[in-house]
Amino acid sequence: GENVGLHLPTLSVQEGDNSIINCAYSNSASDYFIWYKQESGKGPQFIIDIRSNMDKRQGQRVTVLLNKTVKHLSLQIAATQPGDSAVYFCAEVSGGYNKLIFGAGTRLAVHP
Amino acid sequence: KAGVTQTPRYLIKTRGQQVTLSCSPISGHRSVSWYQQTPGQGLQFLFEYFSETQRNKGNFPGRFSGRQFSNSRSEMNVSTLELGDSALYLCASNLGQGQETQYFGPGTRLLVL
Repeated sequence: GENVGLHLPTLSVQEGDNSIINCAYSNSASDYFIWYKQESGKGPQFIIDIRSNMDKRQGQRVTVLLNKTVKHLSLQIAATQPGDSAVYFCAEVSGGYNKLIFGAGTRLAVHP
Repeated sequence: KAGVTQTPRYLIKTRGQQVTLSCSPISGHRSVSWYQQTPGQGLQFLFEYFSETQRNKGNFPGRFSGRQFSNSRSEMNVSTLELGDSALYLCASNLGQGQETQYFGPGTRLLVL
């Protein structure tokens, strides 16, 4: 895949455990945040989003938390499965409608 | 609905050449954004087109350009290719109304030799 992982932090978890992936964003004026999952050889896939007027949003097996005070986002994945293995990116919308600013990414490795 | 499609999927060029990449957005989407992804720099915003007009631009040299057609399909062009232009080029689309998810295509992998 594109993210060879030269400098990507890696989170290793056992199948069935919960995973927490963290992200620090850069712009206190950003008002929309998205988590993407990227598997090898594919484009980023939308997981969940959150607007700045919210602190928490839940989806199916995923929860995103937003702490605007410290400019921090986290993605929680419940009951992690081998199919969750991928690189995860947070992205913030800043400076215009569709200008996504991406974090560096975290590689999630799920072991059976 | 069909997803975002990009052509070609793979491309090999030599330094000094130019290249044109194509992106077809999801039906009904009017905004197309382009991103460059490299291991060293990660995902970086190139530009966004909405209704045939460039609405946002990232910090890339003028060798990188794009356009959008009336059917919302978009092309990006890179002239005078450099080795450092080797990357995965991704396009994404949405309605363009603000605070919406962008849906990505599979990308075009460009290798410059």
